[in-house]
Amino acid sequence: QFTLKESGLTLVNPTQTLTLTCTFSGFSLSIAGVGVGWIRQPQGKAPEWLALIYWDDDKRYSPSLRSRLTIIKDTSKNEVVLTMTNMDPVDTATYYCARLNYGDAFDIWGQGTMVTVSS
Amino acid sequence: QSVLTQPPSVSGAPGQRVIISCTGSSSNVGAGYEVHWYQQLPGTAPKLLIYGNNNRPSGVPDRFSGSKSGTSASLAITGLQAEDESDYYCQSYDSSLSAWVFGGGTKLAVL
Repeated sequence: QFTLKESGLTLVNPTQTLTLTCTFSGFSLSIAGVGVGWIRQPQGKAPEWLALIYWDDDKRYSPSLRSRLTIIKDTSKNEVVLTMTNMDPVDTATYYCARLNYGDAFDIWGQGTMVTVSS
Repeated sequence: QSVLTQPPSVSGAPGQRVIISCTGSSSNVGAGYEVHWYQQLPGTAPKLLIYGNNNRPSGVPDRFSGSKSGTSASLAITGLQAEDESDYYCQSYDSSLSAWVFGGGTKLAVL
């Protein structure tokens, strides 16, 4: 059974850095072709892809958020960590991690973690 | 404004067939990148419904089917059921943006 779960602070002050951890099981990020990505979704809006890391440590970022994002993996712990700097209230959303499979589809998603940016 | 365009809403009566469209451009769907569809029930994470334009993951009923032509793709749902009432999103890859992109979403109402 494949699972992913997001964890991290759910309330962040403006200008602070958000750190989210995706802990997964049932698959390995050391297997060729596997990737884990982060997607966020503001309430009532469409999902927005943020970042993705492949098994070979290739990293991809949303062009509009590239300067604020960092994604890393710890294969031994089955974890992927996303950091987003200079948080703003417009970054308030549910943040999901998901496995990339079938080419470029996200086939398994975590339950999501709601992040609120407010002072 | 989303890179992939979907109608905001569609509706149908139980047992009917509905189609949800997803229109892209020459840098994503038209460039040959595959289209994937997700179903999102209220308060839950998106669930992969169709991958690679027209393939169903294990466990997805064959009432759901996908197709792609040119710069557009479609999700068809036959034999509508009350449980199909949900939000649906298409997703692809855009080579100009070098990004995975989603449609704006379509809310399906089962009348």
